Amino acid sequence: DAEITQSPRHKITETGRQVTLACHQTWNHNNMFWYRQDLGHGLRLIHYSYGVHDTNKGEVSDGYSVSRSNTEDLPLTLESAASSQTSVYFCASSPRRSGSNNEQFFGPGTRLTVL
Amino acid sequence: GEDVEQSLFLSVREGDSSVINCTYTDSSSTYLYWYKQEPGAGLQLLTYIFSNMDMKQDQRLTVLLNKKDKHLSLRIADTQTGDSAIYFCAESIRRGGSGGYNKLIFGAGTRLAVHP
Repeated sequence: DAEITQSPRHKITETGRQVTLACHQTWNHNNMFWYRQDLGHGLRLIHYSYGVHDTNKGEVSDGYSVSRSNTEDLPLTLESAASSQTSVYFCASSPRRSGSNNEQFFGPGTRLTVL
Repeated sequence: GEDVEQSLFLSVREGDSSVINCTYTDSSSTYLYWYKQEPGAGLQLLTYIFSNMDMKQDQRLTVLLNKKDKHLSLRIADTQTGDSAIYFCAESIRRGGSGGYNKLIFGAGTRLAVHP
């Protein structure tokens, strides 16, 4: 069955380290998204991509970067991890860019702790 | 502006109905969604409603949309312990004109606790 996976599921790192979170989907969706989830804030969009080599900043993109070299993967990199980036990170994908239903399908999440 | 608001917590007795409310600000919203998040898991789509509809029913779930007041609600009939989760309201808004894109804005989530 097609799915969306994230790895690792849990990660502990130190301040200043570079960290990369992986997201892989097998639906062949063009659109992929990264969110962070924090208490009281719901989900906030970090970066998104509408296709290979396309990347866009979301509302909380500072300190994060993404690259899209193929349809299936959108890795999220924290260049120099900060304690404020301790959070749960969700990857999502959707099949359409515009038009009708914009449903997004979510991965299981990665819990990142920055010490 | 882009903002979706929900109450953070709701407690109900098993068998009762639950009503989770949401308000949004963008009048150009095309679709509105309810997602469910169980502990330790990602978000799963429960149901959605197109902005030209007032109501949508799907088994135990009823979605009501008041477009004038920008108010969305999710009613769960005969609430069960398995319904305990966080429920997120989200609106889909369009940016960028005819060649543009749809974007989802999420509320902070309502934690539903079901007790015997």
